[in-house]
Amino acid sequence: AQSVTQLDSHVSVSEGTPVLLRCNYSSSYSPSLFWYVQHPNKGLQLLLKYTSAATLVKGINGFEAEFKKSETSFHLTKPSAHMSDAAEYFCVVTPRGASGTYKYIFGTGTRLKVLA
Amino acid sequence: EAQVTQNPRYLITVTGKKLTVTCSQNMNHEYMSWYRQDPGLGLRQIYYSMNVEVTDKGDVPEGYKVSRKEKRNFPLILESPSPNQTSLYFCASSHREENTEAFFGQGTRLTVV
Repeated sequence: AQSVTQLDSHVSVSEGTPVLLRCNYSSSYSPSLFWYVQHPNKGLQLLLKYTSAATLVKGINGFEAEFKKSETSFHLTKPSAHMSDAAEYFCVVTPRGASGTYKYIFGTGTRLKVLA
Repeated sequence: EAQVTQNPRYLITVTGKKLTVTCSQNMNHEYMSWYRQDPGLGLRQIYYSMNVEVTDKGDVPEGYKVSRKEKRNFPLILESPSPNQTSLYFCASSHREENTEAFFGQGTRLTVV
């Protein structure tokens, strides 16, 4: 069975400091992994995705994530936080190579607060 | 512009009054799905559809119905809404190929009183 755990429900950082949002997954298959961002009163926007081409994935707005199979992790990072990064972030896993059912499995979300 | 369109964006209704939330996509995606988002629970899948006339239950299907008569449309139907269905709803679509990301609508905030 697939599942995803976001280890922090809330993260606060100061503007200009690094961001780390943690995600661990469990998957019976080689997974595809995604990070989505949700700004207040908005829909979900794709930040980046891992599909086995490269373990370090670069996304939009300076975000990147590293797939570590040995640790079953897919943590999201950014070197320097900006006020506009304040939002809720979702880690998502979806089975790859599975037949039949097809599902995007969401973590419970991490709310990022950026302090001036 | 490629997009998933949901309507309405906001809806307040009374218990038991049937309602439909529409979802339409213009990307020729085979796969469409509905999620509800509740605080602390993330997004949970209600129903999904792999293609026209093919639908299946997700994790929380009770109290909901869907139909997929056309590829672009995937309406969510609440036959007899109850207060525990007060939530933020998202429609999503994607191609069926592996590794493809889902595109989401802007959300429908439903309140059932």
